[in-house]
Amino acid sequence: KQEVTQIPAALSVPEGENLVLNCSFTDSAIYNLQWFRQDPGKGLTSLLLIQSSQREQTSGRLNASLDKSSGRSTLYIAASQPGDSATYLCAVRGGSGGYQKVTFGTGTKLQVIP
Amino acid sequence: DTGVSQDPRHKITKRGQNVTFRCDPISEHNRLYWYRQTLGQGPEFLTYFQNEAQLEKSRLLSDRFSAERPKGSFSTLEIQRTEQGDSAMYLCASSLAASSDTQYFGPGTRLTVL
Repeated sequence: KQEVTQIPAALSVPEGENLVLNCSFTDSAIYNLQWFRQDPGKGLTSLLLIQSSQREQTSGRLNASLDKSSGRSTLYIAASQPGDSATYLCAVRGGSGGYQKVTFGTGTKLQVIP
Repeated sequence: DTGVSQDPRHKITKRGQNVTFRCDPISEHNRLYWYRQTLGQGPEFLTYFQNEAQLEKSRLLSDRFSAERPKGSFSTLEIQRTEQGDSAMYLCASSLAASSDTQYFGPGTRLTVL
């Protein structure tokens, strides 16, 4: 059974700092990994998707890396802004149970202080 | 393209009643997913469709839950004989298999069972 863990559970940083969010998974036979942000009471917004054959993806101030063999992904946020405050979730598609199933972590709640 | 839509956005019901939720995916997206999310947790996978075929169903989906996607477009999720433990946010997502398979989420339906 695929298990996804996100550390830390919560993070508070001053505006302008660079930060790293971590995601680890137990079964490395994944199809892809996707990072999302979720604002309170809202649905999920896709940030980046990394295919299993890729090492990283970049979008603006965001960079996500994937090390499939060690079961880890990181989301790097450069020059954080108060508008980045949200819960960040990683989701892994696949595992030995089949590629259709998607497993989410419990998220990292980020607060960027002005 | 208006994104993934879900209806209703909120539903309050009494224990024992049946409820049905609707999800309209992004047009031409052939994959559709249902998730359940409780407070402080990441979304939990419930089921997955490719076109009209239901290809994966979580063990979380008891016999009281049923999902359909009759024409490969919109989908419905029905919960029979609701219980207080069914109170959660029900999220729908869609993706296009021929593309990056990025999942796009709707705003969710918040269910409260009294």
